[in-house]
Amino acid sequence: KQEVTQIPAALSVPEGENLVLNCSFTDSAIYNLQWFRQDPGKGLTSLLLIQSSQREQTSGRLNASLDKSSGRSTLYIAASQPGDSATYLCAVPNAGNNRKLIWGLGTSLAVNP
Amino acid sequence: DTAVSQTPKYLVTQMGNDKSIKCEQNLGHDTMYWYKQDSKKFLKIMFSYNNKELIINETVPNRFSPKSPDKAHLNLHINSLELGDSAVYFCASSQKGARWAFFGQGTRLTVV
Repeated sequence: KQEVTQIPAALSVPEGENLVLNCSFTDSAIYNLQWFRQDPGKGLTSLLLIQSSQREQTSGRLNASLDKSSGRSTLYIAASQPGDSATYLCAVPNAGNNRKLIWGLGTSLAVNP
Repeated sequence: DTAVSQTPKYLVTQMGNDKSIKCEQNLGHDTMYWYKQDSKKFLKIMFSYNNKELIINETVPNRFSPKSPDKAHLNLHINSLELGDSAVYFCASSQKGARWAFFGQGTRLTVV
């Protein structure tokens, strides 16, 4: 049974810092891994999708890496800004049913000006 | 232009009432979903429709009934609301075979 864990649960940093959010999963037989951002009142925004054959994806100041063998993914945010404050969620498709996502509990990030 | 829109954003209602949450997507996707977010922020899938046909129906009470009048709409109707139904409900859409899903802003349902 796939389980997804995110560490830390909450993070507060001053503006400008580089930071790393961690996601781990118990079943390494995944098709892909997604990182989402959740803003209150705005729903979920898909940030990055990493296929199982890839090791990393980059979008602007965001870089996500994937290490299937160790069951880990990291989301690196460079030069953090107050606008980055949100909850970040990682999710993997459930084995045998790609439409069903297994989610972590998220990391609540606060970037202080 | 909102890709996936849900109405209403907030819904407060009394136990025993019947309510509906509407969802519309303008992305041309053929698959739509309803998720329930619990107090621990887990998103649990409830239903999935592909081309107006139900393809995923997780174990949810019969009081929950999805209705898809066309590919762009998937409404969630809830009968006899209970306190435990209080949660944020998310609608989402995707194209068949894609592993992306676009989510709406969520509807916070509070049953009192």
